[in-house]
Amino acid sequence: KAGVTQTPRYLIKTRGQQVTLSCSPISGHRSVSWYQQTPGQGLQFLFEYFSETQRNKGNFPGRFSGRQFSNSRSEMNVSTLELGDSALYLCASSLAGDRIDYGYTFGSGTRLTVV
Amino acid sequence: DQQVKQNSPSLSVQEGRISILNCDYTNSMFDYFLWYKKYPAEGPTFLISISSIKDKNEDGRFTVFLNKSAKHLSLHIVPSQPGDSAVYFCAASAGQWDFNKFYFGSGTKLNVKP
Repeated sequence: KAGVTQTPRYLIKTRGQQVTLSCSPISGHRSVSWYQQTPGQGLQFLFEYFSETQRNKGNFPGRFSGRQFSNSRSEMNVSTLELGDSALYLCASSLAGDRIDYGYTFGSGTRLTVV
Repeated sequence: DQQVKQNSPSLSVQEGRISILNCDYTNSMFDYFLWYKKYPAEGPTFLISISSIKDKNEDGRFTVFLNKSAKHLSLHIVPSQPGDSAVYFCAASAGQWDFNKFYFGSGTKLNVKP
């Protein structure tokens, strides 16, 4: 079965712009989580969506937002981009609504570069 | 404040020998732990998990040990193979109140030499 699909794979944006990243989870997975990976901070949790509702949020400014659609696909948006937003953005999906016994399945990520 | 720490940024092991990757955590509320491996240009791949009701979980060549009193877990790979060369992350979660929110360590880069 198809894995987690993230688009686009690479993106270059200018400071002050906004960007939207997309994530299609594995079919049947209802939970989608987003992470930011940077060399200095590692993998940091952004937010998690389940059944179109944000259930959990990390410590990121309000410029980072997301949403989930009825088909479980998710988007995240970053407004007023800053140089420090350059990172690999990873989306992960999981089957269960609460405790997961299988671990997330991650996509390959979107590499965002802000210039 | 990093709640999950992997203090060894890299580890080099000979093929066929045991690889031991370590992870420490500070939050006593963590009750579920995962290990992932990551190849360059790919997303992390789930390896093995353990819940706090256990102290050991095995899956083939991979075994995870949990020492709750020491807030320490380790991943053993036996025997190590060159294909195991990757970055390994441990991750922890604080239970049903923190839905699918995992705190990741900074990773350990494993190099298995043929």
